[in-house]
Amino acid sequence: GAVVSQHPSWVICKSGTSVKIECRSLDFQATTMFWYRQFPKQSLMLMATSNEGSKATYEQGVEKDKFLINHASLTLSTLTVTSAHPEDSSFYICSARGVRAYEQYFGPGTRLTVT
Amino acid sequence: RKEVEQDPGPFNVPEGATVAFNCTYSNSASQSFFWYRQDCRKEPKLLMSVYSSGNEDGRFTAQLNRASQYISLLIRDSKLSDSATYLCVVDMDSSYKLIFGSGTRLLVRP
Repeated sequence: GAVVSQHPSWVICKSGTSVKIECRSLDFQATTMFWYRQFPKQSLMLMATSNEGSKATYEQGVEKDKFLINHASLTLSTLTVTSAHPEDSSFYICSARGVRAYEQYFGPGTRLTVT
Repeated sequence: RKEVEQDPGPFNVPEGATVAFNCTYSNSASQSFFWYRQDCRKEPKLLMSVYSSGNEDGRFTAQLNRASQYISLLIRDSKLSDSATYLCVVDMDSSYKLIFGSGTRLLVRP
């Protein structure tokens, strides 16, 4: 099946710093990628839809100036958590839409801890 | 009302047991339905899509009841390796944005 990678797999940063997370589709081109966040013992919550070459569409309640998404190529989307705070500590997961539109392939996730 | 609701469990069953999970969704116009499996601290992985006619994949059977707006997953002959959280997932408006239920945790004991 299709492979999606994320980097880094985990990161610890200090409050106030920014962190960039990369999501890559390794063996297919993904015009659409999705970014999710998952807090402990909760389900995945969609943060934004990232379309190659255009601005991301954010879900209600997600601050677009805090979570910057760039989808500059068909195989790479990045999420930058700006001025991170401890409450941003979470598991961030991306997914890429496959050839068949209803299929999504998930990256392995990035665990962010803000101290 | 949550868009996708599941019983969080945990369901604690012995090996070999049959276990069933249900899930309800709020948007009657939803078109696509899935069951995903998520292991602890890992990404979710697609277990199976759910079709109107019902579908089976080995020990797993998924069914959709559009009139009642619920989806079910039946696992027969449970294995220890089936222990995980099972996520009910719905594409609410055919925009390919997936809405995840909070998951049902399954523990299969020896």
